[in-house]
Amino acid sequence: QVQLVESGGGVVQPGKSLRLSCAAAGFTFSNYAMYWVRQAPGKGLEWVAVISYDGSNRDYADSVRGRFTISRDNPKNTLYLQMNSLRGEDTAVYYCARDRTPARNYNYYGMDVWGQGATVTVSS
Amino acid sequence: DIQMTQSPSSLSASVGDRVTITCRASQTISSFLNWYQKKPGKAPRLLISAASSLQSGVPSRFSGSESGPDFTLTISSLQPEDFATYYCLQSYTTPLTFGGGTKVEIK
Repeated sequence: QVQLVESGGGVVQPGKSLRLSCAAAGFTFSNYAMYWVRQAPGKGLEWVAVISYDGSNRDYADSVRGRFTISRDNPKNTLYLQMNSLRGEDTAVYYCARDRTPARNYNYYGMDVWGQGATVTVSS
Repeated sequence: DIQMTQSPSSLSASVGDRVTITCRASQTISSFLNWYQKKPGKAPRLLISAASSLQSGVPSRFSGSESGPDFTLTISSLQPEDFATYYCLQSYTTPLTFGGGTKVEIK
């Protein structure tokens, strides 16, 4: 069935790096834009980054721009989030999610399928 | 950036009540508006897309509508499993922005 499984979360010191992965299954990964969304403890949902179906178009929230990089490997059906220069305010559950439309364009329609989440804790 | 102002931030209701949640967009977003349900420890669940399209498998007591900059999620008869936090999301342009959330609690 359609499934997204995140991995790579953990506890990391401020200033260090971490890479999250998201393995996709059950759909044609290369047809869909993909997202990272996070939820800090006690806070609401926050969009982090998006990447187009072919990886040619990427965008980021201002809070992570220049520190985080979203990428994808379509032959491996995997989405990534490289997180550098981590801060305490990056502590959150990170979800990967699929765009709801296999549009193969550069418009975004929001998320339909979500992973179970990966917990990232930034603490010394 | 487009701001999504969601109200109320919380509400208390009883089983069987009709519940309405609103998001107001600071700029035009056409119908690029989705509604999500979020329960603790669970991934968000897409309820409504494109302002008013009910997702497959979502009970018909959920509905969405739009009027100008205002978007509304209605639960016609609240059920025990509906107690959760609800978020709107605009995807008209980046940065994509969520509303602040509405926590629906048991009265």
